[in-house]
Amino acid sequence: RKEVEQDPGPFNVPEGATVAFNCTYSNSASQSFFWYRQDCRKEPKLLMSVYSSGNEDGRFTAQLNRASQYISLLIRDSKLSDSATYLCVCKGGGADGLTFGKGTHLIIQP
Amino acid sequence: SAVISQKPSRDICQRGTSLTIQCQVDSQVTMMFWYRQQPGQSLTLIATANQGSEATYESGFVIDKFPISRPNLTFSTLTVSNMSPEDSSIYLCSVGDVAYEQYFGPGTRLTVT
Repeated sequence: RKEVEQDPGPFNVPEGATVAFNCTYSNSASQSFFWYRQDCRKEPKLLMSVYSSGNEDGRFTAQLNRASQYISLLIRDSKLSDSATYLCVCKGGGADGLTFGKGTHLIIQP
Repeated sequence: SAVISQKPSRDICQRGTSLTIQCQVDSQVTMMFWYRQQPGQSLTLIATANQGSEATYESGFVIDKFPISRPNLTFSTLTVSNMSPEDSSIYLCSVGDVAYEQYFGPGTRLTVT
């Protein structure tokens, strides 16, 4: 069974703080990894892909550990607008669709 | 990324009826998918919509309940057949690119009474 596990939170974080989310996946054949952001009553939007070497996009840093089957997302200098649900997502090889975690709910407080 | 639209955006239907949801993309895409997001849950893949052939369904989803059409590279439909209240959900289409990143339509919010 393909599973992606996340801490559902909520994480209540003061504005300007740094917050990190973790995610584990059970399908060792997963080849591609992503973080999506979903705002209330909206569709998920791609935040960033996660590469084996890690990647950074502004205040956001994603890391992948294949040996431990573990993905992380770090948000620095958090903004009120970062409040959302963050979905950890894995994709198997070929034309498989995406397997979503249940999401981590983040609330940035002023 | 492609611009994706879905129709209807929401509907309230009676049990036993069927609803067809349309997904339109503004450019040709190879991969199209249909997902379901039940209340308070994450997304679950229903099927991959294959252009010119039958859709590929995930475990737990069958063609008789969720028939899918994909007549060309910009359009797909998902029908929710013989609906029950358990089918109340948000249905989303997505399109994929060569990097395997997927982009989602705005979703169709379905309530079955």
